[in-house]
Amino acid sequence: EAQVTQNPRYLITVTGKKLTVTCSQNMNHEYMSWYRQDPGLGLRQIYYSMNVEVTDKGDVPEGYKVSRKEKRNFPLILESPSPNQTSLYFCASSPDTRGELFFGEGSRLTVL
Amino acid sequence: GENVEQHPSTLSVQEGDSAVIKCTYSDSASNYFPWYKQELGKRPQLIIDIRSNVGEKKDQRIAVTLNKTAKHFSLHITETQPEDSAVYFCAPKGVSGGGNKLTFGTGTQLKVEL
Repeated sequence: EAQVTQNPRYLITVTGKKLTVTCSQNMNHEYMSWYRQDPGLGLRQIYYSMNVEVTDKGDVPEGYKVSRKEKRNFPLILESPSPNQTSLYFCASSPDTRGELFFGEGSRLTVL
Repeated sequence: GENVEQHPSTLSVQEGDSAVIKCTYSDSASNYFPWYKQELGKRPQLIIDIRSNVGEKKDQRIAVTLNKTAKHFSLHITETQPEDSAVYFCAPKGVSGGGNKLTFGTGTQLKVEL
Protein backbone atom coordinates (compact mmCIF):
# COMPACT_ATOMS: atom_id res chain seq x y z
CA GLU A 1 0.00 0.00 0.00
CA ALA A 2 1.34 3.42 -1.01
CA GLN A 3 1.79 5.51 2.11
CA VAL A 4 3.69 8.06 4.12
CA THR A 5 4.48 6.87 7.63
CA GLN A 6 5.34 9.13 10.54
CA ASN A 7 6.50 8.19 14.01
CA PRO A 8 5.77 8.84 16.77
CA ARG A 9 2.12 9.80 16.35
CA TYR A 10 2.01 11.37 19.80
CA LEU A 11 4.82 12.63 21.97
CA ILE A 12 5.06 14.62 25.17
CA THR A 13 8.53 15.83 25.99
CA VAL A 14 10.30 18.50 28.02
CA THR A 15 12.15 21.62 26.99
CA GLY A 16 15.63 20.94 25.67
CA LYS A 17 15.36 17.19 25.19
CA LYS A 18 16.37 16.38 21.63
CA LEU A 19 13.84 14.44 19.60
CA THR A 20 13.40 13.12 16.08
CA VAL A 21 10.18 12.55 14.18
CA THR A 22 10.68 10.03 11.43
CA CYS A 23 9.00 10.09 8.03
CA SER A 24 9.17 7.37 5.42
CA GLN A 25 7.45 6.99 2.05
CA ASN A 26 7.27 3.93 -0.17
CA MET A 27 6.25 5.64 -3.42
CA ASN A 28 9.72 6.56 -4.68
CA HIS A 29 8.79 10.23 -4.51
CA GLU A 30 11.44 12.85 -5.19
CA TYR A 31 9.90 15.66 -3.13
CA MET A 32 9.37 15.47 0.63
CA SER A 33 8.43 18.19 3.07
CA TRP A 34 7.47 18.93 6.66
CA TYR A 35 4.64 21.17 7.90
CA ARG A 36 3.37 22.32 11.23
CA GLN A 37 -0.30 22.99 11.78
CA ASP A 38 -1.47 25.48 14.39
CA PRO A 39 -5.01 26.81 14.96
CA GLY A 40 -5.74 29.80 12.73
CA LEU A 41 -2.42 29.53 10.92
CA GLY A 42 -3.07 26.64 8.60
CA LEU A 43 -0.21 24.49 7.37
CA ARG A 44 3.19 26.13 7.35
CA GLN A 45 6.14 24.58 5.61
CA ILE A 46 9.21 23.94 7.76
CA TYR A 47 11.66 22.28 5.36
CA TYR A 48 11.51 20.53 2.04
CA SER A 49 13.76 18.28 0.01
CA MET A 50 13.97 17.88 -3.73
CA ASN A 51 16.06 14.72 -3.60
CA VAL A 52 18.74 12.92 -1.61
CA GLU A 53 21.14 15.36 0.07
CA VAL A 54 19.11 18.35 -1.22
CA THR A 55 17.18 20.21 1.46
CA ASP A 56 16.00 23.80 1.85
CA LYS A 57 14.14 26.02 4.28
CA GLY A 58 10.45 26.62 4.16
CA ASP A 59 8.65 29.49 5.87
CA VAL A 60 9.26 28.47 9.49
CA PRO A 61 12.60 26.60 9.74
CA GLU A 62 13.88 28.08 13.02
CA GLY A 63 14.53 25.44 15.66
CA TYR A 64 14.34 22.51 13.25
CA LYS A 65 16.78 20.42 11.23
CA VAL A 66 16.24 17.80 8.57
CA SER A 67 18.29 15.32 6.62
CA ARG A 68 17.73 13.32 3.43
CA LYS A 69 20.30 10.56 3.33
CA GLU A 70 17.97 8.13 1.59
CA LYS A 71 15.21 8.87 -0.87
CA ARG A 72 12.49 7.28 1.24
CA ASN A 73 13.31 8.91 4.59
CA PHE A 74 13.09 12.52 5.73
CA PRO A 75 13.41 12.87 9.52
CA LEU A 76 12.60 16.10 11.36
CA ILE A 77 14.98 16.88 14.21
CA LEU A 78 14.32 19.21 17.12
CA GLU A 79 17.71 19.69 18.75
CA SER A 80 16.41 21.66 21.73
CA PRO A 81 12.62 21.73 21.73
CA SER A 82 10.79 24.67 23.25
CA PRO A 83 7.11 25.07 24.22
CA ASN A 84 6.42 27.16 21.08
CA GLN A 85 7.15 24.04 19.03
CA THR A 86 4.09 22.35 20.49
CA SER A 87 2.10 21.61 17.37
CA LEU A 88 0.71 19.03 14.97
CA TYR A 89 3.34 18.03 12.43
CA PHE A 90 2.75 16.54 9.00
CA CYS A 91 5.21 15.00 6.61
CA ALA A 92 4.25 14.88 2.94
CA SER A 93 5.70 13.59 -0.30
CA SER A 94 5.07 14.16 -3.96
CA PRO A 95 6.41 12.70 -7.21
CA ASP A 96 7.71 16.17 -8.08
CA THR A 97 7.10 19.80 -7.13
CA ARG A 98 4.08 20.25 -9.37
CA GLY A 99 1.79 17.50 -8.18
CA GLU A 100 -0.38 16.13 -5.44
CA LEU A 101 1.00 15.99 -1.92
CA PHE A 102 0.52 12.76 0.02
CA PHE A 103 0.44 13.37 3.75
CA GLY A 104 1.36 11.20 6.66
CA GLU A 105 -1.10 10.80 9.53
CA GLY A 106 0.48 13.52 11.59
CA SER A 107 2.52 13.68 14.79
CA ARG A 108 1.16 15.60 17.74
CA LEU A 109 4.02 17.01 19.77
CA THR A 110 3.74 18.65 23.16
CA VAL A 111 6.77 20.36 24.70
CA LEU A 112 6.43 21.14 28.40
CA GLY B 1 7.60 33.35 -1.60
CA GLU B 2 3.98 33.15 -2.58
CA ASN B 3 1.43 35.27 -0.65
CA VAL B 4 -1.78 33.29 -0.29
CA GLU B 5 -5.09 34.48 1.09
CA GLN B 6 -8.10 32.26 1.55
CA HIS B 7 -11.66 33.42 2.25
CA PRO B 8 -13.85 32.96 4.11
CA SER B 9 -12.21 31.50 7.18
CA THR B 10 -15.49 29.91 8.26
CA LEU B 11 -18.55 29.04 6.22
CA SER B 12 -21.82 27.60 7.42
CA VAL B 13 -24.40 26.35 4.91
CA GLN B 14 -27.58 24.33 5.00
CA GLU B 15 -27.48 20.84 3.59
CA GLY B 16 -28.16 20.97 -0.11
CA ASP B 17 -26.87 24.51 -0.55
CA SER B 18 -23.73 25.43 -2.46
CA ALA B 19 -20.45 26.56 -0.94
CA VAL B 20 -17.70 28.63 -2.53
CA ILE B 21 -14.21 29.19 -1.15
CA LYS B 22 -11.78 31.58 -2.78
CA CYS B 23 -7.99 31.55 -2.82
CA THR B 24 -5.94 34.54 -3.95
CA TYR B 25 -2.23 34.25 -4.74
CA SER B 26 0.55 36.65 -5.65
CA ASP B 27 2.87 34.80 -8.05
CA SER B 28 1.58 35.35 -11.59
CA ALA B 29 3.71 32.42 -12.78
CA SER B 30 1.92 29.91 -10.51
CA ASN B 31 1.00 26.85 -12.50
CA TYR B 32 -0.67 24.33 -10.19
CA PHE B 33 -3.76 24.97 -8.07
CA PRO B 34 -4.91 22.23 -5.67
CA TRP B 35 -7.53 22.07 -2.96
CA TYR B 36 -7.08 19.82 0.06
CA LYS B 37 -9.74 18.64 2.48
CA GLN B 38 -8.95 17.85 6.09
CA GLU B 39 -11.58 16.11 8.15
CA LEU B 40 -11.42 16.40 11.91
CA GLY B 41 -8.45 14.45 13.28
CA LYS B 42 -7.34 13.32 9.83
CA ARG B 43 -4.60 14.20 7.38
CA PRO B 44 -5.18 16.64 4.48
CA GLN B 45 -6.09 14.94 1.22
CA LEU B 46 -6.30 16.30 -2.29
CA ILE B 47 -9.86 16.60 -3.55
CA ILE B 48 -9.38 18.47 -6.80
CA ASP B 49 -6.69 20.35 -8.66
CA ILE B 50 -6.27 22.34 -11.83
CA ARG B 51 -3.33 23.37 -13.95
CA SER B 52 -2.75 26.75 -15.49
CA ASN B 53 -3.78 25.79 -19.00
CA VAL B 54 -7.33 24.98 -17.89
CA GLY B 55 -10.00 27.38 -16.63
CA GLU B 56 -12.36 24.96 -14.91
CA LYS B 57 -12.44 21.37 -13.77
CA LYS B 58 -15.34 19.44 -12.34
CA ASP B 59 -15.60 16.17 -10.43
CA GLN B 60 -19.15 15.28 -9.47
CA ARG B 61 -20.25 17.81 -6.85
CA ILE B 62 -16.99 19.69 -6.64
CA ALA B 63 -15.39 22.04 -9.12
CA VAL B 64 -12.43 24.38 -9.26
CA THR B 65 -12.31 27.53 -11.36
CA LEU B 66 -9.20 29.51 -12.16
CA ASN B 67 -8.86 33.18 -13.05
CA LYS B 68 -5.19 33.71 -13.87
CA THR B 69 -5.66 37.37 -14.76
CA ALA B 70 -7.06 38.17 -11.33
CA LYS B 71 -4.79 35.58 -9.64
CA HIS B 72 -7.41 33.65 -7.80
CA PHE B 73 -9.04 30.24 -7.92
CA SER B 74 -12.13 28.95 -6.21
CA LEU B 75 -13.55 25.72 -4.88
CA HIS B 76 -17.23 25.13 -5.56
CA ILE B 77 -19.22 22.46 -3.75
CA THR B 78 -22.81 21.91 -4.86
CA GLU B 79 -25.57 20.01 -3.06
CA THR B 80 -23.56 20.03 0.15
CA GLN B 81 -23.84 17.08 2.50
CA PRO B 82 -22.85 16.64 6.16
CA GLU B 83 -19.73 14.70 5.10
CA ASP B 84 -18.49 17.84 3.35
CA SER B 85 -17.95 19.40 6.79
CA ALA B 86 -14.19 19.81 7.08
CA VAL B 87 -11.37 22.32 6.73
CA TYR B 88 -10.36 23.13 3.17
CA PHE B 89 -6.94 24.43 2.16
CA CYS B 90 -5.61 25.87 -1.06
CA ALA B 91 -1.91 25.60 -1.95
CA PRO B 92 -1.07 27.38 -5.21
CA LYS B 93 2.26 26.33 -6.61
CA GLY B 94 4.41 29.31 -7.52
CA VAL B 95 7.75 29.47 -9.24
CA SER B 96 9.38 32.30 -7.30
CA GLY B 97 12.28 31.30 -5.09
CA GLY B 98 13.00 28.29 -7.24
CA GLY B 99 9.43 27.07 -7.18
CA ASN B 100 9.96 24.44 -4.55
CA LYS B 101 8.65 26.22 -1.47
CA LEU B 102 4.94 25.77 -0.81
CA THR B 103 2.54 28.11 0.98
CA PHE B 104 -0.92 26.99 2.07
CA GLY B 105 -3.91 29.19 2.65
CA THR B 106 -4.97 29.47 6.28
CA GLY B 107 -7.95 27.23 5.70
CA THR B 108 -11.74 27.46 5.57
CA GLN B 109 -13.84 25.64 8.14
CA LEU B 110 -16.97 24.48 6.30
CA LYS B 111 -19.92 23.38 8.37
CA VAL B 112 -22.89 21.79 6.66
CA GLU B 113 -25.95 21.96 8.87
CA LEU B 114 -28.88 19.60 8.65
